[in-house]
Amino acid sequence: RKEVEQDPGPFNVPEGATVAFNCTYSNSASQSFFWYRQDCRKEPKLLMSVYSSGNEDGRFTAQLNRASQYISLLIRDSKLSDSATYLCVVNVGGTPLVFGKGTRLSVIA
Amino acid sequence: DGGITQSPKYLFRKEGQNVTLSCEQNLNHDAMYWYRQDPGQGLRLIYYSQIVNDFQKGDIAEGYSVSREKKESFPLTVTSAQKNPTAFYLCASSTLGRVQEDSEAFFGQGTRLTVV
Repeated sequence: RKEVEQDPGPFNVPEGATVAFNCTYSNSASQSFFWYRQDCRKEPKLLMSVYSSGNEDGRFTAQLNRASQYISLLIRDSKLSDSATYLCVVNVGGTPLVFGKGTRLSVIA
Repeated sequence: DGGITQSPKYLFRKEGQNVTLSCEQNLNHDAMYWYRQDPGQGLRLIYYSQIVNDFQKGDIAEGYSVSREKKESFPLTVTSAQKNPTAFYLCASSTLGRVQEDSEAFFGQGTRLTVV
């Protein structure tokens, strides 16, 4: 089983739609979790950290389910500018971050 | 401004040549990492370092070498032993704190290496 798994997509959604991505991780000792965004031919950039209590930043909501070992990202009211690849990232603590392969989102006008 | 800088942005290598990719950070981060990304693929860890003068192999270290003589610098050498070096190379840095908020990674803009 891979350490961090994501549905590669692509998810093609119309503007204004709500879209959700899930990510599962295999190491129950994982301590911190992140969503990164990567635009085509660019470096990944932190979108948001994922806290145990869940967190929201504008149109973006991230949630963590430790019992089932998955994290989710919800994007409401999708914009064309949200088109990118979203990377799920897990940190066991004291070791390199583990990246999922990413989920590609295309928001269509 | 604090940040992490990679150079060059584009690099062309002839077969059989060694090339060195630069990565410098002024974020006072202890940990630095090198990743490779192939088109349409995820990030694969090449090497990482958590302290000066020490580094560890990642998942795909063969054909690569690194050094960590200074906290701020973590250059990557792609040697002639790397048979398929054409890829996008990303350097990152982070703190080693176990507090969630401190452990995110910051990336450089990447170096696109092409073998000609």
